[in-house]
Parts: sequence; structure tokens; C-alpha cells
Amino acid sequence: EVQLLESGGGLVQPGGSLRLSCAASGFTFSNYAMNWVRQAPGKGLEWVSTVGNTDATTYFADSVKGRFTISRDNSKNTLYLQMNSLRAEDTAVYYCVRGASGMDVWGQGTTVTVSS
Amino acid sequence: DVVMTQSPLSLPVTLGQPASISCRSSQSLVHSDGNTYLNWFQQRPGQSPRRLISKVSNRDSGVPDRFSGSESGTDFTLKISRVEAEDVGVYYCMQGTHWPRTFGQGTKVEIK
Repeated sequence: EVQLLESGGGLVQPGGSLRLSCAASGFTFSNYAMNWVRQAPGKGLEWVSTVGNTDATTYFADSVKGRFTISRDNSKNTLYLQMNSLRAEDTAVYYCVRGASGMDVWGQGTTVTVSS
Repeated sequence: DVVMTQSPLSLPVTLGQPASISCRSSQSLVHSDGNTYLNWFQQRPGQSPRRLISKVSNRDSGVPDRFSGSESGTDFTLKISRVEAEDVGVYYCMQGTHWPRTFGQGTKVEIK
């Protein structure tokens, strides 16, 4: 069964850092680009970042550029999102999603709350 | 950025009746590879989003055939032929052709 399992969310103060992880299983992880998509409380979906299948190519939303870093370890079938200089507006459920153009598989999400 | 505009934002429907959601893109979604990467997602209450349709009209495995997608230029439509109770939720269109990827605002489908 194809599965994505996020972890690493929690409560962090403004200006703080957090690293999210996404463990993939049930498919050949290294064959797929991977994404992070977030959803603020009561709001719609917002694409955050994408990494190509070999980690060589990355894309970021303007709202997180310079603060977030996306990476992957294909030997561990794991996707990461390093989030620095966190702001209140980064509060959201963060989803790990497979596929750059199709986004066909979604994880259950991990919640990040930025508050003092 | 490509702006995806959905309408309506709220859609009360009667069980067994058809429903239609529109999504308009601010520019062409035809990729240089010839594909049009327009996807539709369903998010049921309390759940993660689930993809229903890819590349305008290709239903994902397990998606009931009452769901269909179509296009006319930069206008895209998701149709539900006969709404069932399990179809309640928010529906999003998303373009996967241009960077940054962008979603529509979402259409909330509820039963009258």
C-alpha cells in the first residue's frame, strides 16, 4: 500500500525552527518528485515547496523562500522540510504529497502551531 | 502566478441531483510536453485531500464514475452526475503546469 507518514509538527515560538519528516512506503520513492502543501486553520490549500526526485531541483512559494529548505534522503525513503524564522502565519497542517504535476498521494498531515 | 478561480464557493445540492463546479485559470495550462495538468481534489470533513481527477478528465482508481472533468480553453468543470451523501466536502482545482503550483479557493458542497 502506498503511504506517506508525516511527523515533526508541534508548537514553536515565533522566530523558532522546526523540521518536518515524511516517511514514504509502498512505492519507489526515488522515482518521484515530492511536495509539501499546507492548510491554515479553516482555509484552503497552499503549495509550499517541491523537490525533484534526485534532490537537485527545488521550488518554493514566495511566502517561505529563504526561510524553508526542502530535502530528501532516497536511501531512507524520507522527505524533509526545514522551517526557520517561523511566523504566526506559518501555522497550518502540513501535508506531504507525491508527484510534482499530479499530486496523487497525500499523507495525513502534521500540525505546526507558531505562537508565543 | 497562475490564478485559479473557482465558482461557486458554496454549493447546496439535493441528493440524487447533478452538481457542477467551475474553475478558470488566468492563463493556458497546456504544458510544453502537450499535457494539461489540471487536477481536481476532494477533501471530506476531517480528512486529507484526495485526488479525483488528473489531466482534466482522467478519473483516479476507485473514483466513482459519477465524477467527470472537462475543459473549454481555460475553463474547467467538475461534474457530479448524481450527488450522494458521501460527496459532502470541499473540492479544489489545482494546476500542475506552471510554477508556483496554485489551487483554487475551494468549493464547499453540502446537502440541502
